[in-house]
Amino acid sequence: QVQLQESGPGLVKPSETLSLTCTVSGDSIRSTSHYWGWIRQPPGKGLEWIASIYHSGTTYYNPSLADRVTLSVDPSENQFSLTLDSVTATDTAVYYCARQTWTFSNIFGVTVEWFDPWGHGTLVTVSS
Amino acid sequence: IVLTQSPGALSLSPGERVTLSCRASQTISSNYLAWYQQKRGQAPRLLIYGVSTRATGVPDRFSGSGSGTDFSLTISRLEPEDFAVYFCQNYGSSPITFGQGTQLEI
Repeated sequence: QVQLQESGPGLVKPSETLSLTCTVSGDSIRSTSHYWGWIRQPPGKGLEWIASIYHSGTTYYNPSLADRVTLSVDPSENQFSLTLDSVTATDTAVYYCARQTWTFSNIFGVTVEWFDPWGHGTLVTVSS
Repeated sequence: IVLTQSPGALSLSPGERVTLSCRASQTISSNYLAWYQQKRGQAPRLLIYGVSTRATGVPDRFSGSGSGTDFSLTISRLEPEDFAVYFCQNYGSSPITFGQGTQLEI
């Protein structure tokens, strides 16, 4: 059974950097069948895709966050990580990590697809 | 692609049939649309991908349909555990986007 678990500080000060790690069990982060993604959900609101990473380091970012986000992968620990720079109160959210399928076509190249399963999520509050 | 879900919320009773709508601002290529269920305090759970393919373990009372810009999720007979928030997701064009959700209430 594949499980993902987010970890990291629950409170970050404005202008500082948010750092989270997702630990994967029951599957290898070196899987050639999957990307690994981050999604966030502000309290009481909808879902926003942040970015997705392959074990090789290939990454796709949401343009709305690309200038502040960095993803990395650590195959030796079966983990992948998210950093978000210069946070403000609007970055307060539950952050989820998830496994993601992908396909390749000659027309569209790589398409990262649906998320399954998801981690339980971790609430990160940005406040002084 | 902006996904608009309707209605925002609705109240129903167990045993009823419901259809939730997800409308895209542009055509979603190759039917790249998924649906998720999220219960209070839990992570989203994948229900449907590729518009109409049920994920592993999803009961057959859940079905997805649609094409182009109009998609729907139907629950044929509501069970008590189906009362939750439902989100649609576009993955046919970048960036990946989600609808704002439809809340099903008892």
